[in-house]
Order: sequence, then C-alpha cells, then structure tokens
Amino acid sequence: EVQLVESGGGLVQPGRSLRLSCAASGFTFDDYAMHWVRQRPGKGLEWVSSITWESRNIAYADSVKARFTISRDNAKNSLYLQMNSLRPEDTAFYYCAKDPSGSSLGVFDYWGQGTLVTVSS
Amino acid sequence: EIVLTQSPGTLSLSLGESVTLSCRASQSVSSDYLAWYQHKPGQAPRLLIYGASRRATDIPDRFSGSGSGSDFTLTISRLEPEDFAVYYCQQYGSSRFTFGPGTKVDIK
Repeated sequence: EVQLVESGGGLVQPGRSLRLSCAASGFTFDDYAMHWVRQRPGKGLEWVSSITWESRNIAYADSVKARFTISRDNAKNSLYLQMNSLRPEDTAFYYCAKDPSGSSLGVFDYWGQGTLVTVSS
Repeated sequence: EIVLTQSPGTLSLSLGESVTLSCRASQSVSSDYLAWYQHKPGQAPRLLIYGASRRATDIPDRFSGSGSGSDFTLTISRLEPEDFAVYYCQQYGSSRFTFGPGTKVDIK
C-alpha cells in the first residue's frame, strides 16, 4: 500500500524558514517523480513544486520560486521542501504527492494527508 | 498559464442522482492532459480520472470523464453517500500545472 506521510509543519513568523518532509513507503520511491501541492485556507489546490526521480528536473510555481527548494533523498525514501522567506500567504496545508512517471508527467496519483503551515507573527 | 474554470460552484443533490461537472480551459489542453480529483475535508485528495477519460486504479465505473481541447466533463452516475465532496480538475499539458477552483457536491 502506498503511503505518504508529511511532517514539519507548524507556526512560523513571517520571513523565517521551515523544512517539510514526506516519508514514502509501499512503492519503489526512486522510480517516480514527486510533487508538493498546497491548499490555502478556504481555497482550492495549488501546485507548488516538482522533482523528477533522479532530481535532474525541478520546477516551481512562480509564487514560490527563489524562496522554496524541493529535494529528495532516494536512499531514505524521503521528499523535502525547504521554505525560506515565508509570507502570510504561504499559510496552507502542504501535501506530498506521487507521480505515476519518473519524469514528472504532472498527474498526482497518491497523496499524503498534508501538514499545516501557518505563517503569522 | 492555463486557467481552468469549473461550473457550477456548488451542487446540492440527492442520493441516486447523476451529475455532470464542467471544466473549461483558457486554452487547449495539450494531449488532453486533464485529470479529476475528489477531495473530502481532512482527507488526502484522490485521483479519479487522468488523460481526460481514463479511470485511475480502483475508481468505480460510475465515475467517467470526457471531453477534449478546452472543454471537459466529469459525470458521476447514481450518487452514493461517499461521493459528496469537492471535485477539482487539473491540467498537466503545460509545465505549470494548474487546478480549477473546484465544484462542491453536497447532499440536498
């Protein structure tokens, strides 16, 4: 059974940093691209970032480019999102999602339960 | 960036009814790379349809997708209690993946 478990969320002040993690199990992690998707309070889903299986191709939404960094450790079956210079508008549930392809097709076939990031002073 | 518009915003329906949800793109979606997701409060979103019409693993056949170009639909036949949720369309035909604002299907 595919499982994705996010962690690392919490309350952080504007301008500070936070690192999210996603622990994957139930599939061969290094065969697949991975993504982060977020949902702001009362809003819809928003793609944040993607990384291919070997980390060769990485993409970001314009809203987080130059502030967030996606990475993965295939030896640890883990996906990460380093979030710097956080803004109140980054407040959201952050979901880790698996792609059915190693090269980032852009479909999210399995999702975690999400971790809440709150940016507030 | 491809903007997706979903209609209606909210639907109130009864068990056993059928419903068709609409998703319209601001430009043609390459290769019909359009997916549909179901999202319930406090749960992980669930992939229902990809490639506009292909059901994902373990999705019952009362869910069906159709459409091409810039107009797509999701049809749910014979609504069951577990189908009341928010439904999002998403395009992956361009490198900046985008979602629609969602259609909420609730119980009348």
